[in-house]
Amino acid sequence: RKEVEQDPGPFNVPEGATVAFNCTYSNSASQSFFWYRQDCRKEPKLLMSVYSSGNEDGRFTAQLNRASQYISLLIRDSKLSDSATYLCVVTVTGGGNKLTFGTGTQLKVEL
Amino acid sequence: IAGITQAPTSQILAAGRRMTLRCTQDMRHNAMYWYRQDLGLGLRLIHYSNTAGTTGKGEVPDGYSVSRANTDDFPLTLASAVPSQTSVYFCASSDSTGGDTQYFGPGTRLTVL
Repeated sequence: RKEVEQDPGPFNVPEGATVAFNCTYSNSASQSFFWYRQDCRKEPKLLMSVYSSGNEDGRFTAQLNRASQYISLLIRDSKLSDSATYLCVVTVTGGGNKLTFGTGTQLKVEL
Repeated sequence: IAGITQAPTSQILAAGRRMTLRCTQDMRHNAMYWYRQDLGLGLRLIHYSNTAGTTGKGEVPDGYSVSRANTDDFPLTLASAVPSQTSVYFCASSDSTGGDTQYFGPGTRLTVL
């Protein structure tokens, strides 16, 4: 079983739609959680950290469920510019700052 | 320089040749990392360095070596390239090793024939 699992997609949604991605992780010692965004042929960039209480940044909402070991990302009012691959990332207690990446979920927002 | 840079942008290399990928950051970050990204496998950590003068092995270190002589530079060397090392290589840095954001360079696309 992969340490971090994501549905690869692609998710094809119309502009203005709400879309949600889930990610599961296998290591219960996972400590920190993030969503990164990666545009085609570009480097990953941090989208947002994920906190136990959940957090929101504009149209983006991230939630963490430690009991079920999954993380979610909700995007409201999708824009064409949201088209990208979204990477779920975790770190493990005692693992320093070594990130474990999911393979990513591809989002395509269409007119 | 602003941020983290990598060189070359892309390279085609004959199998058996030696190659060094360069990575430089000007943010004075303590920690640096090398990842490779392959289709269907995501990013995997090759080597890392928590501070200048120290290095450690990641998930897929075989066939690669690194050095960290100073804070800014973290070169990755393939001593004798093989086709399975064809990949996109990303260098990253973070201020500390305590869950800080990692900032990635633009990547190097390497093809080994």
